[in-house]
Amino acid sequence: EAQVTQNPRYLITVTGKKLTVTCSQNMNHEYMSWYRQDPGLGLRQIYYSMNVEVTDKGDVPEGYKVSRKEKRNFPLILESPSPNQTSLYFCASSSQGSATNEKLFFGSGTQLSVL
Amino acid sequence: QKEVEQNSGPLSVPEGAIASLNCTYSDRGSQSFFWYRQYSGKSPELIMSIYSNGDKEDGRFTAQLNKASQYVSLLIRDSQPSDSATYLCAVINNTDKLIFGTGTRLQVFP
Repeated sequence: EAQVTQNPRYLITVTGKKLTVTCSQNMNHEYMSWYRQDPGLGLRQIYYSMNVEVTDKGDVPEGYKVSRKEKRNFPLILESPSPNQTSLYFCASSSQGSATNEKLFFGSGTQLSVL
Repeated sequence: QKEVEQNSGPLSVPEGAIASLNCTYSDRGSQSFFWYRQYSGKSPELIMSIYSNGDKEDGRFTAQLNKASQYVSLLIRDSQPSDSATYLCAVINNTDKLIFGTGTRLQVFP
């Protein structure tokens, strides 16, 4: 089954404790992206990657890191989480870049709470 | 001014009615427009895309685009309680960036 797999689904952590949210897709997609979704603010892009070893900042990259060492994986790293990073996070992928993506496939989301 | 604007709702319609969801965008050079549906606690899923002025129909869904007025709408005919969800408008702007609106919550009551 074609899918984007995110883990964990829920995560509660404390300020300053490094964490990684994993994302993996099995569709051989070149484009992958991370979003956060907050009430009243909608989906905002954190980082995206057009291909292996190519990553770029989105609209809200501060406090986050990503890597794209393999085509299928695109982990999101919070080196020192803060309470303002409490949010619902989605990983997404598509077969083309954002300019022409016909369809973004979303992971099931990670609800992160930073205390 | 937000680049993609939607009324947050909720929009309440009775079962069987037509639900009309609207979205306006600010970048006149935008070329691609999408509607995603997001059930509570779930991830967004694409239901419609439209690229040229006019109407595009897919089953009970019709997307309408008016580039001169910079709005895109989604009509849902014969609304069902299972259509109750948040509908996200998304636009690819003149710099090839995909921008999401904040979504309109639709409630279809029996």
